[in-house]
Amino acid sequence: RKEVEQDPGPFNVPEGATVAFNCTYSNSASQSFFWYRQDCRKEPKLLMSVYSSGNEDGRFTAQLNRASQYISLLIRDSKLSDSATYLCVVNIGGSSASKIIFGSGTRLSIRP
Amino acid sequence: DTGVSQNPRHKITKRGQNVTFRCDPISEHNRLYWYRQTLGQGPEFLTYFQNEAQLEKSRLLSDRFSAERPKGSFSTLEIQRTEQGDSAMYLCASSLNREARTGELFFGEGSRLTVL
Repeated sequence: RKEVEQDPGPFNVPEGATVAFNCTYSNSASQSFFWYRQDCRKEPKLLMSVYSSGNEDGRFTAQLNRASQYISLLIRDSKLSDSATYLCVVNIGGSSASKIIFGSGTRLSIRP
Repeated sequence: DTGVSQNPRHKITKRGQNVTFRCDPISEHNRLYWYRQTLGQGPEFLTYFQNEAQLEKSRLLSDRFSAERPKGSFSTLEIQRTEQGDSAMYLCASSLNREARTGELFFGEGSRLTVL
């Protein structure tokens, strides 16, 4: 089983739609969780961290369910500029370690 | 430019040759990571360092791969006896301790390897 699993997509949705991505992780000792964004032919960049209580950053909402080992990202009112690959990322190390594992990514395409 | 720097950006080599990539992290960052990425996949963890210590190496990595960070600053990734399956983008990222816990890695633009 992969350490971090995502639906690869692609998701193709109209501008203004709401879209949700899911991710599961296998290591129950995982400490922290993130979503990264990667544009075509560019390096990945941190989009947001995922906190146990859930967190929001503008149109983006991240949720964590530790019992189910499940992470989600919701994008509301999607924009053309949201087209990218979204990577689910898990730090499976302990508090002093830091092995950061990426999922395979979910491709999102927003159409006008 | 004070970001993560990787060299060379592109490398084309013949099967069986050795190649070496260099990564210069952000100067105050003590953690350095190497990942490999192929088309349609996410970055695959290879190894990481805290200062000069290599803390973990992926079991997926064969003995042909070796990484060093001799003075806790720049790092090199060497691939010996390259195979066509080694063709990929090799990404380097760095972070500070506390930022690694918060997940913020700063990536370089990568070194693309093509093995003919």
